[in-house]
Amino acid sequence: SSELTQDPAVSVALGQTVRITCQGDSLRRYSASWYQQKPGQAPLLVIYGKNNRPSGIPDRFSGSNSGNTSSLIITGAQAADEADYYCNSRDNSFNRDNTINHVIFGGGTKLTVL
Amino acid sequence: QLVESGGGVVRPGRSLRLSCEASGFSFSTYAMHWLRQAPDKGLEWVAVISYDGQNTFSAESLKGRFTISRDNSKNTLFLQMNSLRTDDTAVYFCARGAQWLIWTPRDNYFDPWGQGTRVTVSS
Repeated sequence: SSELTQDPAVSVALGQTVRITCQGDSLRRYSASWYQQKPGQAPLLVIYGKNNRPSGIPDRFSGSNSGNTSSLIITGAQAADEADYYCNSRDNSFNRDNTINHVIFGGGTKLTVL
Repeated sequence: QLVESGGGVVRPGRSLRLSCEASGFSFSTYAMHWLRQAPDKGLEWVAVISYDGQNTFSAESLKGRFTISRDNSKNTLFLQMNSLRTDDTAVYFCARGAQWLIWTPRDNYFDPWGQGTRVTVSS
């Protein structure tokens, strides 16, 4: 089976740069997408593909990929960036019980801006 | 824009049907997904349906209890949930997927998402 692993919590000083990572075998084949979720709100896509930002997402958000690791980078973190961040990718590996995961998510990283 | 409805409180073993009304884009050309988030937990993918409704995939952990469907004439996505269990308690989101394809070769993402509808399964 495949899974995506994220650090549960990361902190960054206001205005500094932070990297949030996501590791998993599926990332060798499929790109990761990244979602920001604030309390009581729906997830918001912030990065997808190689390093693409949807319209309206500030350019302080960027992504990088290497092997089985994808990273979300926030350059000059703002107080408004404090949120949970989830990575996700397509997956088509078999689990031990022969079921297939079609889509997997990381467990999420809680970002605190100090 | 995506707006979900149909959530509520339901007893274990009962059924519920969620709806998601789309506007502002060409609904009939996009795959659509349902995802969910249990209280204080992470995100979980539930199901996808092709742009024309001909193909669907669901999380195999659901063991066939949930069925995704769509009505392109009404720009509406549905999730029929049967034999509900307490661990189905979650906020359910609909989200737009890829255009024309269910899965793209490399980049698969969800954008936008609806605001979610809460389902509570409790006796």
